[in-house]
Amino acid sequence: GNSVTQMEGPVTLSEEAFLTINCTYTATGYPSLFWYVQYPGEGLQLLLKATKADDKGSNKGFEATYRKETTSFHLEKGSVQVSDSAVYFCALSDPAGNQFYFGTGTSLTVIP
Amino acid sequence: EAGVTQSPTHLIKTRGQQATLRCSPISGHTSVYWYQQALGLGLQFLLWYDEGEERNRGNFPPRFSGRQFPNYSSELNVNALELEDSALYLCASIMTGWSYNSPLHFGNGTRLTVT
Repeated sequence: GNSVTQMEGPVTLSEEAFLTINCTYTATGYPSLFWYVQYPGEGLQLLLKATKADDKGSNKGFEATYRKETTSFHLEKGSVQVSDSAVYFCALSDPAGNQFYFGTGTSLTVIP
Repeated sequence: EAGVTQSPTHLIKTRGQQATLRCSPISGHTSVYWYQQALGLGLQFLLWYDEGEERNRGNFPPRFSGRQFPNYSSELNVNALELEDSALYLCASIMTGWSYNSPLHFGNGTRLTVT
């Protein structure tokens, strides 16, 4: 079946630190992979996506590479800002089953 | 382009009452998903509507129900409210027959509090 496993939080970093949030997946087919971000009091916003192996998604300084051999899609950012404080969700899509599968979310707090 | 809109933003009900939550998808999107996000937990899939029909539901009791209207907007009803129904309810939309690279688009949610 399909599932997403995300590293547990919360994660606290100092401003300008390097960020990695781990995400691994299990899929029966060839899913697309997504990272969403949820700011306090809001819904989820698409941060980036990758649709096939070795694709790199990037947006706002965040990057993630679709690694089929390790079934991973880790989120990285070289220098975090206070404004990056949010909850991050890894997700995969299964068009055949018309379903999306979400990780449990990782809370990130960046302190000045 | 207007995003997914949800109303009301906040809803306070007492145990045993009914709650109705509304969602308008992005123009052109005909498929609506509902999720429950309880405090400290991830997203739990509730219901999927597509072109006016309920296509799938998650592991929730029958008192969680809904419908999709001809204009593709959707309504989630929760009957006989219980304290543990307190959560953020998120609606998301996507085109029917979406391809493998299409993302879900989310609204900002309705915060339901049951006292």
